Amino acid sequence: KAGVTQTPRYLIKTRGQQVTLSCSPISGHRSVSWYQQTPGQGLQFLFEYFSETQRNKGNFPGRFSGRQFSNSRSEMNVSTLELGDSALYLCASSTAGGKSSYNEQFFGPGTRLTVL
Amino acid sequence: GIQVEQSPPDLILQEGANSTLRCNFSDSVNNLQWFHQNPWGQLINLFYIPSGTKQNGRLSATTVATERYSLLYISSSQTTDSGVYFCAVGWNTGNQFYFGTGTSLTVIP
Repeated sequence: KAGVTQTPRYLIKTRGQQVTLSCSPISGHRSVSWYQQTPGQGLQFLFEYFSETQRNKGNFPGRFSGRQFSNSRSEMNVSTLELGDSALYLCASSTAGGKSSYNEQFFGPGTRLTVL
Repeated sequence: GIQVEQSPPDLILQEGANSTLRCNFSDSVNNLQWFHQNPWGQLINLFYIPSGTKQNGRLSATTVATERYSLLYISSSQTTDSGVYFCAVGWNTGNQFYFGTGTSLTVIP
């Protein structure tokens, strides 16, 4: 089975621009979560989608948004970029939401965003 | 949210040495994973271990959920074990994982 894929792998943007990142989960996984990793704050949860619905959201401003499509692929969007948005953005997929309590998460390689 | 503390924050080992990494968490959880982050940022799954003990080669892990901690053991360390090790915990509902700040391991030849 192919793993979680994320595109693009690297992005350079300037302040005020917007950006869209994409994540394709492992085949059969319906849950996709997004995380931001920075040296100062570590790994922080952004939001999680399951069956095209946002089930949970972390403590990030409304500039951060996401969506999930019927094929479980997910996108996240950051509008009006700030310097502090420079980070590694990781997406994870899992089978969470089914009858089993098994919920192992598998991460993609990440998108490294630099805001100048 | 759930607080996750990992110790030690930094660890330097001679190749061949053994080590124990610890993860304490502040609340009951039913999901716990250990990851190794490689230099390119990829989080590699080591163990999915909400309770009990598992072994995979030179690595093993134990989670005592009732006492809210998990241990990762690395035996006969190799230079390729270098990197940052993260513990992440959570609940099924909403699928939000809380990460510790990691243990940075350096194995020197």
